[in-house]
Amino acid sequence: AQKVTQAQTEISVVEKEDVTLDCVYETRDTTYYLFWYKQPPSGELVFLIRRNSFDEQNEISGRYSWNFQKSTSSFNFTITASQVVDSAVYFCALRAGTDKLIFGTGTRLQVFP
Amino acid sequence: DTGVSQDPRHKITKRGQNVTFRCDPISEHNRLYWYRQTLGQGPEFLTYFQNEAQLEKSRLLSDRFSAERPKGSFSTLEIQRTEQGDSAMYLCASTPAATGELFFGEGSRLTVL
Repeated sequence: AQKVTQAQTEISVVEKEDVTLDCVYETRDTTYYLFWYKQPPSGELVFLIRRNSFDEQNEISGRYSWNFQKSTSSFNFTITASQVVDSAVYFCALRAGTDKLIFGTGTRLQVFP
Repeated sequence: DTGVSQDPRHKITKRGQNVTFRCDPISEHNRLYWYRQTLGQGPEFLTYFQNEAQLEKSRLLSDRFSAERPKGSFSTLEIQRTEQGDSAMYLCASTPAATGELFFGEGSRLTVL
């Protein structure tokens, strides 16, 4: 069975702090895709990144970076120098052996000025 | 705006009434998904279409739910004899490829009184 676990329900930080959001996934498939989405207070899910299971290179995009480790089945997301606009719910998702995305329960990030 | 659009954005209905939601995907996307999201949870898969064919339907979806995508363009999700437990945000998403990221609309919020 496929499963995504985001153990952190809510994280609060002060602006300019770095913050890491954890994601652990479960699948027996060797080919799979991992995603991160952001859901701001407006409600629309915004795509952030997609990684396939054969590409373990970490990725950096501005203040965002992702650490994919197959050995621990984790795909963690770090925001460097957080800003108030980063406040949102962040979802990790998995596509494996099926055409649908399976989402975690999300981590609510609050960044205070 | 060429994103995914959903209508209505908010629907309030009385228990036992029927409701219908519409989704217009991004025009060149042949795959269309419906998800449901309740407060504090991640999106939960309901069903998806490739063109006009409904390829998968969640086992959690009761017989009161039906979705269509005539001509492979827009899609409708109908809920018959609504119950208070149907109150949720109904999300539509589309993608041009089986392994691609999903592009979500702003959702249709259903409140059943």
